Amino acid sequence: QVQLVQSGAEVKKPGASVTVSCKASGYIFTAYGVTWLRQAPGQGPEWVGWITPYSGDTEYAQKLQDRITMTTDTSTNTVYMELRNLRSDDTAVYYCTRIMGQAASTPGYWGQGTLVTVSS
Amino acid sequence: EIVMTQSPATLSVSPGERATLSCRAGQSVSSSLAWYQQKPGQAPRLLIYGASTRATGIPDRFSGSESGTEFTLTISSLQSEDFAVYYCQQYKNWPLTFGGGTKVEIK
Repeated sequence: QVQLVQSGAEVKKPGASVTVSCKASGYIFTAYGVTWLRQAPGQGPEWVGWITPYSGDTEYAQKLQDRITMTTDTSTNTVYMELRNLRSDDTAVYYCTRIMGQAASTPGYWGQGTLVTVSS
Repeated sequence: EIVMTQSPATLSVSPGERATLSCRAGQSVSSSLAWYQQKPGQAPRLLIYGASTRATGIPDRFSGSESGTEFTLTISSLQSEDFAVYYCQQYKNWPLTFGGGTKVEIK
């Protein structure tokens, strides 16, 4: 079965960087892109970006473009999301997701979430 | 980006009653509309995609419909496990965008 397992919670100071990992299993890793979403406390989810392990192509949210990098490691079926120069409004639960399939091209499989807290 | 607007923000319903949740898209999303259910401390769960197709394992008391840019999620007879926050989301264009959510609470 499809599983996405994320790294653990992080606490960072403003200006620091954080890297969240997402290890995929149960499917052919290079066959599907991975979408990252985040959810601030009490808010709805927000699209962060997307990467395809097949080619490494990425798309990022415009507001994060100069601070974010997504990469993949096809030897370990893992996707990484790095966010730099953290601010307090980056505090959120970050989720990696995969679509259900071509007929349902919206996030259907979700990781358990990684809480990133930015606080001085 | 496409703005998604949900109403009401909170819906108070008694168990066994029907719940009707609304979502409006700021522009056409065709049928690229999904509904998610989220319970505290959990990731959202996909209920409906393509505006009206239930995801695998979703009970048939959940149904979705569309009329232009207006979308509706209906829960025909609320069960105790259905009290949660519900989000609509469009996947017609990037960035994917979500509505602000409707909290379905026990009346």
